[in-house]
Amino acid sequence: AQSVTQLDSQVPVFEEAPVELRCNYSSSVSVYLFWYVQYPNQGLQLLLKYLSGSTLVESINGFEAEFNKSQTSFHLRKPSVHISDTAEYFCAVRNYGGSQGNLIFGKGTKLSVKP
Amino acid sequence: GAGVSQSPSNKVTEKGKDVELRCDPISGHTALYWYRQSLGQGLEFLIYFQGNSAPDKSGLPSDRFSAERTGGSVSTLTIQRTQQEDSAVYLCASSLDTSGARAYFGPGTRLTVL
Repeated sequence: AQSVTQLDSQVPVFEEAPVELRCNYSSSVSVYLFWYVQYPNQGLQLLLKYLSGSTLVESINGFEAEFNKSQTSFHLRKPSVHISDTAEYFCAVRNYGGSQGNLIFGKGTKLSVKP
Repeated sequence: GAGVSQSPSNKVTEKGKDVELRCDPISGHTALYWYRQSLGQGLEFLIYFQGNSAPDKSGLPSDRFSAERTGGSVSTLTIQRTQQEDSAVYLCASSLDTSGARAYFGPGTRLTVL
């Protein structure tokens, strides 16, 4: 069975600083990888995903994540954060192929951007 | 509908009572997921449906929890003999299939067990 580990439960940063939210996964088969975001008092929504091809994927609001198969990681990065990026970020994994289509999430990382 | 809907949005119940939570997925979505979001626990997987069958029930916390899905659409999560530790936000999500398609989340049902 697959699992997702987000080591940092909270990440405080100052505005315009770079940030990296770490995600490691465990799976015996190939996977799809996702980052979801939950802004305060809002529902979960997809931020970006890796399915295949280029290992670097980007979102429209400046976040990027790189799939590293050897390290089983999918860390989320942004070179310069804004106050509006304050939210909780969840990494998720889904096996592809076979019947293991479940979508498993990490425990989340709360990003707090301070002025 | 335009998105995943859940009802009720809030439910307050007394310890020991049974509750039913409903999820209406996006039309045509074959995969449906139930999660529980508690303070400090992140997003906890409960159960996942592919069509009407549940290939993975491994996340159900106890035999007081059950879920069904009928007609490949609406799903109901039932919690029997509720306990205070069942208090949480219960989230439902659906996706087109079980490949790389994104999951769309509903607004959740906030359950409070007194």
